[in-house]
Amino acid sequence: EIVLTQSPGTLSLSPGERATLSCRASQSVSSSYIAWYQQKPGQAPRLLIYGASSRATGIPDRFSGSGSGTDFTLTISRLETEDFAVYYCQQYDSSPPGTFGQGTKVEIE
Amino acid sequence: EVQLLDSGGGLVQPGGSLRLSCAASGLTFTSYAMSWVRQAPGKGLEWVSGVSGSGGTTYYADSAKGRFTISRDNSKSTLFLQMNSLRADDTAVYYCAKSPRMTTVNYFDYWGQGILVTVSS
Repeated sequence: EIVLTQSPGTLSLSPGERATLSCRASQSVSSSYIAWYQQKPGQAPRLLIYGASSRATGIPDRFSGSGSGTDFTLTISRLETEDFAVYYCQQYDSSPPGTFGQGTKVEIE
Repeated sequence: EVQLLDSGGGLVQPGGSLRLSCAASGLTFTSYAMSWVRQAPGKGLEWVSGVSGSGGTTYYADSAKGRFTISRDNSKSTLFLQMNSLRADDTAVYYCAKSPRMTTVNYFDYWGQGILVTVSS
């Protein structure tokens, strides 16, 4: 089973700053089968990125994904107030099951 | 517009059973694999079970094998999760989630609103 480790656990930033979230896999994820989700309190997750770097429909271009192999990154170029949330990565290389990382909380500093 | 509406949650005693439903609209339901993903209070996301678009292939996490059964009624665009022998650690919000392909459970592009299942005496 591929284990995903996200870091940091919490990221404290101000609006307008750049956020860099990391997702490291315990073994190589082929074809960059990594997705990223955003979740706000009391809401369902929302797909942001699939295929490591493809933005989902309607996702602003301040969100970008990169990486390959075992190291993947979600970058939010300039944080807006609505971006403060928890972010999860998911691998679907060995799907099923598609395991999730434990999440990174982006909070207002 | 794709909409997924989860229902059927509630409070159940340990060892009891519950059936969750997810009514889909705005899509050709049979064209997409579907899954259930859960989230225990204050915790992260855990994929539980998935089914191909035809319903012919099912997948389970180890935590669900032998206790949960996923199924779908394509004539009614509805996904089900039959949960038996429920334990306290099954307490979670359960989401139905749609995958973008018919045969493979991969990432999830649409999610239901979630339904709370509480297992407690």
